[in-house]
Amino acid sequence: AQSVAQPEDQVNVAEGNPLTVKCTYSVSGNPYLFWYVQYPNRGLQFLLKYITGDNLVKGSYGFEAEFNKSQTSFHLKKPSALVSDSALYFCAVRDRGGSYIPTFGRGTSLIVHP
Amino acid sequence: DTGVSQDPRHKITKRGQNVTFRCDPISEHNRLYWYRQTLGQGPEFLTYFQNEAQLEKSRLLSDRFSAERPKGSFSTLEIQRTEQGDSAMYLCASSPPDRFDEQYFGPGTRLTVT
Repeated sequence: AQSVAQPEDQVNVAEGNPLTVKCTYSVSGNPYLFWYVQYPNRGLQFLLKYITGDNLVKGSYGFEAEFNKSQTSFHLKKPSALVSDSALYFCAVRDRGGSYIPTFGRGTSLIVHP
Repeated sequence: DTGVSQDPRHKITKRGQNVTFRCDPISEHNRLYWYRQTLGQGPEFLTYFQNEAQLEKSRLLSDRFSAERPKGSFSTLEIQRTEQGDSAMYLCASSPPDRFDEQYFGPGTRLTVT
């Protein structure tokens, strides 16, 4: 079985400050991990993925995520938040040896204050 | 590319009626996915196609739900004898053959069953 947890329903950060959106996962084998962003009235957009290799993954819009196997985490980060980053963020996981279908977390609402 | 499109964007129906949703994926994307999303939750997998073949269905997909992708292009999702619990956002996504883990989502069809 595969699952993902996003422990924060909402994250508030001031513009210009670093942001972190947390994600932990559970899989039987090795994970493929993903982050998606959903802006209001828009479809989910792919941000980045971890497949293998370097634990620090860089993605779109200046976002990056760090894979930590010992902590089974894949937190999303950005050094300097923008008001336009305010959106709903979803973490997803799939077991490399399992189904091709990812399991999504419940989402975290990121609010960046001017 | 023009993105994934879904039609209609909103549907209000009375309990017991049948509804059908359409999804047009990005051209040359061979995989197509259907998800359901309710408020405060991430997308929940319903079914997916590779070309015209339906390869996997979730246990969430009761006998009242059926999906088709007859020519490997657009897809339809039909819900028969709708129930109030079917009220949700129905999302369609597609992915390309060389990066099938990167899903491109449409804007969704919001179903309200009264």
